[in-house]
Amino acid sequence: SYELTQPPSVSVSPGQTARITCSGDALPKQYAYWYQQKPGQAPVLVIYKDSERPSGIPERFSGSSSGTTVTLTISGVQAEDEADYYCQSADSSGTYFFGGGTKLTVL
Amino acid sequence: QVQLVQSGAEVKKPGASVKVSCKASGYTFTSYGISWVRQAPGQGLEWMGWISAYNGNTNYAQKLQGRVTMTTDTSTSTAYMELRSLRSDDTAVYYCAREAVAGQYYFDYWGQGTLVTVSS
Repeated sequence: SYELTQPPSVSVSPGQTARITCSGDALPKQYAYWYQQKPGQAPVLVIYKDSERPSGIPERFSGSSSGTTVTLTISGVQAEDEADYYCQSADSSGTYFFGGGTKLTVL
Repeated sequence: QVQLVQSGAEVKKPGASVKVSCKASGYTFTSYGISWVRQAPGQGLEWMGWISAYNGNTNYAQKLQGRVTMTTDTSTSTAYMELRSLRSDDTAVYYCAREAVAGQYYFDYWGQGTLVTVSS
C-alpha cells in the first residue's frame, strides 16, 4: 500500500530553521505537496510539485526531494508558523494519500 | 475570488445517512475536479474520494466504497458528498477541496469544513 511517513512533532526556536520530512517508496515517481493547517482552519497549500511555492506563501517556505524522502524547510521560523503540516501525494490512478501530519512547535 | 462554501454542521444517529454540500464560486465549476477529505477529532487528513465536475466520473477511497456517493449539480455549481450507514468513527470535519490542475493531484482551495457528529 501507499504510505507517507512523517515525524509526529518538530520543535524549533524562533528564527531557527525547521525541517519536516516525509518518506514514501513512491515519492521518486510522484510529486509531493505540503499543507499547513492551523487549529480550527482548513488546510492551506504551501508547497506543490515538491518544491514550488504558491503565490502568497512566504519565501521562508521551501521544499526539496531526494530519493524516497521529501522535506519541507521553514527558514527563520516565526511564531505564526506553529501549525500542523501534512505531506500529500497520489498514485497514477488519482488516489490521494496524506502523511500522518507533523505538529510544528515554536518554542 | 474562488470560494467553496459548505453546508452547516450535522448530528446523526448511527446507521443514518448524511449529505454535505459544497457550493463553488469564482471559477468555471466544470473545469476542475472536487475531492472530499475528512478529519476525525485530533487526527490527520483522510482522502475520501474525487469527482469530476465535468463528467461526473468518480474515484472513491477503497475503505469507503459502497458507503459513499459523490455527485455534482452543474446548474448550481455545487458538489455533494453522501455517506451512508454512519458509525461513531465517521464523526469528523468533512472538507471539500478543488483539484488545482486537471491531472495534477493536489488541492489549491478548500471549503471551510462541515462537522458531522454521529452519536446515539
